[in-house]
Amino acid sequence: DIQMTQSPSSLSASVGDRVTITCQASQDISNYLNWYQQKPGKAPKLLIYDASNLETGVPSRFSGSGSGTDFTFTISSLQPEDIATYYCQQYDNLPTFGQGTKLEIK
Amino acid sequence: QVTLRESGPALVKPTQTLTLTCTFSGFSLSTSGMCVSWIRQPPGKALEWLARIDWDDDKYYSTSLKTRLTISKDTSKNQVVLTMTNMDPVDTATYYCARRNWNLGYFDYWGQGTLVTVSS
Repeated sequence: DIQMTQSPSSLSASVGDRVTITCQASQDISNYLNWYQQKPGKAPKLLIYDASNLETGVPSRFSGSGSGTDFTFTISSLQPEDIATYYCQQYDNLPTFGQGTKLEIK
Repeated sequence: QVTLRESGPALVKPTQTLTLTCTFSGFSLSTSGMCVSWIRQPPGKALEWLARIDWDDDKYYSTSLKTRLTISKDTSKNQVVLTMTNMDPVDTATYYCARRNWNLGYFDYWGQGTLVTVSS
């Protein structure tokens, strides 16, 4: 199975900060990488698909980049409503998720 | 409008078999390209993909759990059923079903999840 190493596991930032999360695949997955946001007690919500495509209705402050084994997820200006845990997910083979990044407000 | 809803027991005993049902609306699993997966999340931990069933009845399972899982569908009822045998306390988790289009890699609609606790 393809392993996804996500970092950091937790992150504290201030409103307005630029936030970056990385995800590394154990082998080349091209651009077969998605990002989800999960708020407490809720199901995950798709934000970015195919590494860099913004899901319809998702604010433009969210973005993704990368290909091969290294991927980045960015929030350009952190908002209070962005407090959540973020997961990457690959689908080159059987799907696997990263370990998650819990984002908190400083 | 696409919706999915998981149902099943909230509590199972160790060694028992868990049966979960995903009832969905807004799409059909007889439509080419439609797939439904099960994904679980232990309390405070990460998401783990378990199984998938496709419109053509192809089935896929987690490598680590495939000996314990069976996925099936009832297209007429718009339901997907997951069974997991030999339940253990480490299987305590919220279990989600989610839709995926075969030629797209993402889960675009999710159920709200159902918490299953394994305890004697």
